[in-house]
Amino acid sequence: QKEVEQDPGPLSVPEGAIVSLNCTYSNSAFQYFMWYRQYSRKGPELLMYTYSSGNKEDGRFTAQVDKSSKYISLFIRDSQPSDSATYLCAMSPNAGGTSYGKLTFGQGTILTVHP
Amino acid sequence: AAGVIQSPRHLIKEKRETATLKCYPIPRHDTVYWYQQGPGQDPQFLISFYEKMQSDKGSIPDRFSAQQFSDYHSELNMSSLELGDSALYFCASSSRLAGSTDTQYFGPGTRLTVL
Repeated sequence: QKEVEQDPGPLSVPEGAIVSLNCTYSNSAFQYFMWYRQYSRKGPELLMYTYSSGNKEDGRFTAQVDKSSKYISLFIRDSQPSDSATYLCAMSPNAGGTSYGKLTFGQGTILTVHP
Repeated sequence: AAGVIQSPRHLIKEKRETATLKCYPIPRHDTVYWYQQGPGQDPQFLISFYEKMQSDKGSIPDRFSAQQFSDYHSELNMSSLELGDSALYFCASSSRLAGSTDTQYFGPGTRLTVL
């Protein structure tokens, strides 16, 4: 079983919809949580970064972390066709450990927002 | 803002040949990570360097080696290439200076095709 499981999708929504992307994880050492967006044949682009339970908002994006349930989510409000991409959750352990910084990714969710 | 630079962007090699991939981190970033992403897969961590020393090692084959140089650029050397090595290879960089978040920023990737 993978350390990080992500709803694979694909997800297809109309423009303007609210999108919910989710990941669960099993490794309690994960303390840093990120969401990346990846367009086809491009490098992952950092969207959100958080290390505490709760919500973090940035424009149309909200990252939610629930460490007690080992569950993270990314919400996209007022989705646009330009949001169509693969979304990857990623996690890394505590600072200071030998694996500090090493990212473990979810499988990615392909999102299509149609006009 | 300056981003991570990777070269070459595309590389075609024959089986059993050798390839060298280069990564130039964001200025003042001291940490470099290498990831391999197969078709339809999430990125898999290969190896990382902090201040020119190897800091962590993932699922990197013994045929691969890497190093970080005094100017912080890194090279991934791949020998005895196999068909299964065909993938996107991403480099990411971050800063572990006090007060930084060690957030990883990814380059555009090198697409390696082994024939």
